[in-house]
Amino acid sequence: QQQVKQSPQSLIVQKGGISIINCAYENTAFDYFPWYQQFPGKGPALLIAIRPDVSEKKEGRFTISFNKSAKQFSLHIMDSQPGDSATYFCAATYTGGFKTIFGAGTRLFVKA
Amino acid sequence: GAGVSQSPRYKVAKRGQDVALRCDPISGHVSLFWYQQALGQGPEFLTYFQNEAQLDKSGLPSDRFFAERPEGSVSTLKIQRTQQEDSAVYLCASSLEYSHTDTQYFGPGTRLTVL
Repeated sequence: QQQVKQSPQSLIVQKGGISIINCAYENTAFDYFPWYQQFPGKGPALLIAIRPDVSEKKEGRFTISFNKSAKQFSLHIMDSQPGDSATYFCAATYTGGFKTIFGAGTRLFVKA
Repeated sequence: GAGVSQSPRYKVAKRGQDVALRCDPISGHVSLFWYQQALGQGPEFLTYFQNEAQLDKSGLPSDRFFAERPEGSVSTLKIQRTQQEDSAVYLCASSLEYSHTDTQYFGPGTRLTVL
């Protein structure tokens, strides 16, 4: 059962543009939402994470926006660079649980 | 410092063979996770260890899959009688403690191809 839905599947953005990736979840028990970045041949690496009591979190060029009532959250990459070209995964976990549920991923390509 | 390492990086098996995949977590990390990542998909949880205790194995797809971490450090994922649908990248991750908000550090994965 897919519990975290991610879109779009792929995204092409011009250098300097804004990349936006969206995720939605169903399980209201989720209380921690990390985003991961994965380059080919590598494992995922934590990029940024948010708890649902915060509506927005910013770290450098990366911002998470969170809408608890809609059960949706999104990643914004400002001033996108070719080096940001990678696959991005949203994910969700919950207190007392050991599983991290990942979205299907978004393959981002930033054109120089 | 050293990150999570996995070996082998690539494994080709004939259908029906048994395979063993190794994970060396970051030293001192209490928690260890195994994930299966099919081509073009997100990682899917397989199992979780807290030190040597396997606390969640709900993601293991069948009884052909078995994982262990006998001394609370190195872990091995074993797949018996491999099938073509087992072809995937198997990722290992470790985290310092056991909170669900602890950062998970992933290894590069083992790409398993079953012919």
